[in-house]
Amino acid sequence: QQQVRQSSQSLTVWEGETAILNCSYENSAFDYFPWYQQFPGEGPALLIAIRSVSDKKEDGRFTIFFNKREKNLSLHIKDSQPGDSATYFCAASAGSNYQLIWGSGTKLIIKP
Amino acid sequence: EAGVTQSPRYAVLQEGQAVSFWCDPISGHDTLYWYQQPRDQGPQLLVYFRDEAVIDNSQLPSDRFSAVRPKGTNSTLKIQSAKQGDTATYLCASSPGTGVDTQYFGPGTRLLVL
Repeated sequence: QQQVRQSSQSLTVWEGETAILNCSYENSAFDYFPWYQQFPGEGPALLIAIRSVSDKKEDGRFTIFFNKREKNLSLHIKDSQPGDSATYFCAASAGSNYQLIWGSGTKLIIKP
Repeated sequence: EAGVTQSPRYAVLQEGQAVSFWCDPISGHDTLYWYQQPRDQGPQLLVYFRDEAVIDNSQLPSDRFSAVRPKGTNSTLKIQSAKQGDTATYLCASSPGTGVDTQYFGPGTRLLVL
């Protein structure tokens, strides 16, 4: 059973639009949620992360909205650009357990 | 500062052959992770070390996979008698501390088992 779920395998938006990537989880003990970005042929790289004590985290064009009650979160990419085309992974971990549980990823395509 | 390096970048094997993957983490990072990433899936943790000690290898198929980090720096992941189902990218990551730190990934080794 998948503990971290990304409902969309792929998402296509036009350049300049806001891309919204969704993630949900099952384990109420999860308290750290990073989003990683992965380009073809490369390893994932941390993009932005949030802890469960917050409901929003912003870093430039990237914002995480977190809903603890509903056990879901979303990554918003404002003013999306072709260079944002990549696969985005939502992950989660609980307390002092350093293992990240990963979603299956959403492949984002930005059309110019 | 150099990132995580892995070698080889690609490997092609026949079923039953053995292969080793090597990882050099970022200097000073005491935690090292090995992941398996099948095509179009998220990374799946195989094993992780703190210094030279294995912290969790419960997801490592122990009959054919082994991993070591003898001096707490570089690490080797070995597959004995590879199977077609082992086809995936093998990622190494490191992190600097004992908390939930950012994991820094290498480029991975893409393995194809024929």
